Amino acid sequence: EAGVAQSPRYKIIEKRQSVAFWCNPISGHATLYWYQQILGQGPKLLIQFQNNGVVDDSQLPKDRFSAERLKGVDSTLKIQPAKLEDSAVYLCASSLDLVAAPQFFGPGTRLTVL
Amino acid sequence: AQSVTQLDSQVPVFEEAPVELRCNYSSSVSVYLFWYVQYPNQGLQLLLKYLSGSTLVESINGFEAEFNKSQTSFHLRKPSVHISDTAEYFCAVSRSSGNTPLVFGKGTRLSVIA
Repeated sequence: EAGVAQSPRYKIIEKRQSVAFWCNPISGHATLYWYQQILGQGPKLLIQFQNNGVVDDSQLPKDRFSAERLKGVDSTLKIQPAKLEDSAVYLCASSLDLVAAPQFFGPGTRLTVL
Repeated sequence: AQSVTQLDSQVPVFEEAPVELRCNYSSSVSVYLFWYVQYPNQGLQLLLKYLSGSTLVESINGFEAEFNKSQTSFHLRKPSVHISDTAEYFCAVSRSSGNTPLVFGKGTRLSVIA
């Protein structure tokens, strides 16, 4: 079974530039999450999708971050404009639509903002 | 809201020695508890979880964790560690209603010394 795919794996940009990350969840997983993991901290939820609808985006900095999940499969996360403090690993995870279904994580995208 | 505290940021231990990684949580509602592991240059993987029933849960590679409701703890233990156990370990909780996101601790880096 293929896992969660993410690209790119690494990205270096300058502040005020824009960047986009892509995630392809495990086939059949209705729930998709984006987490931000700053160095030395645990992952923090940015947004949760159920199919192509947003379930929870309360911690997404909406002035600069946006995310979509067209057709309820792939998802993109965008940052525009980026700030230095956005340097982090962005993790995508997916799960079945079941209570306490285990979340499967992708390898992450490491973003460095200079 | 839920929160997770991992009391040790780094734990060095000699090979074949026992280890305990501590985790305490705070929540006003009932929760599920998880331990995830992140090996160097790999994504997060589920190690074990507590949903209900027996408070002692085990993983396939010799780790175990015990849910202690009165102490709001979910410490991870292994009686004899191997070099291959070197990794970052994250404790996480989620609300026990619906398919909800994980709230992670800051992680504990386990370093096994030969």
